[in-house]
Amino acid sequence: DAGVTQSPTHLIKTRGQQVTLRCSPKSGHDTVSWYQQALGQGPQFIFQYYEEEERQRGNFPDRFSGHQFPNYSSELNVNALLLGDSALYLCASSLEVAGPPVNEQFFGPGTRLTVL
Amino acid sequence: LAKTTQPISMDSYEGQEVNITCSHNNIATNDYITWYQQFPSQGPRFIIQGYKTKVTNEVASLFIPADRKSSTLSLPRVSLSDTAVYYCLVGTKTSYDKVIFGPGTSLSVIP
Repeated sequence: DAGVTQSPTHLIKTRGQQVTLRCSPKSGHDTVSWYQQALGQGPQFIFQYYEEEERQRGNFPDRFSGHQFPNYSSELNVNALLLGDSALYLCASSLEVAGPPVNEQFFGPGTRLTVL
Repeated sequence: LAKTTQPISMDSYEGQEVNITCSHNNIATNDYITWYQQFPSQGPRFIIQGYKTKVTNEVASLFIPADRKSSTLSLPRVSLSDTAVYYCLVGTKTSYDKVIFGPGTSLSVIP
């Protein structure tokens, strides 16, 4: 049973560039959430996708956008990269209808983004 | 905001029981308490979740007092492989934008 996969593993970009990160959810999962984790800090929620629409969003600027495809995979796009965007970007998947109110999230290994 | 407070770090010897306490004074009625474990360069891994009293699974126990303003994750007989960062989260699936991971508790298990 394949877990959550993310690509690429590592990425180096320069300020002002754009980047696209990809995530394939755990088999059978339909909800994908993205998190940003700076070094030494806990993950910060960016947004969540369900049924190909952004359902919830954290305190991140519009430079951060995403997409979910019919097969439930997802992309995170970041435009006009800043040095402060350097972080580990985590994708987590869950199943919408699973109870209780908080669905167990399965995290991928992350994409390490370095902005120079 | 469902903010939580945990110790920044803890040390323990192998074979001991470790208890990590999390404070969440403004927990809402519908909020659940969830704990995750994270190893370096990996994504967090779900450990346990509860609403009240005590929950136990194959890896940990979660103790929640009646007022639910705190919770304690208990790891029995830790080993070196339990060295990781442990996060306490409070919220519901409809409030992910308000769930704050925080810096977590860095647990170091000593031989």
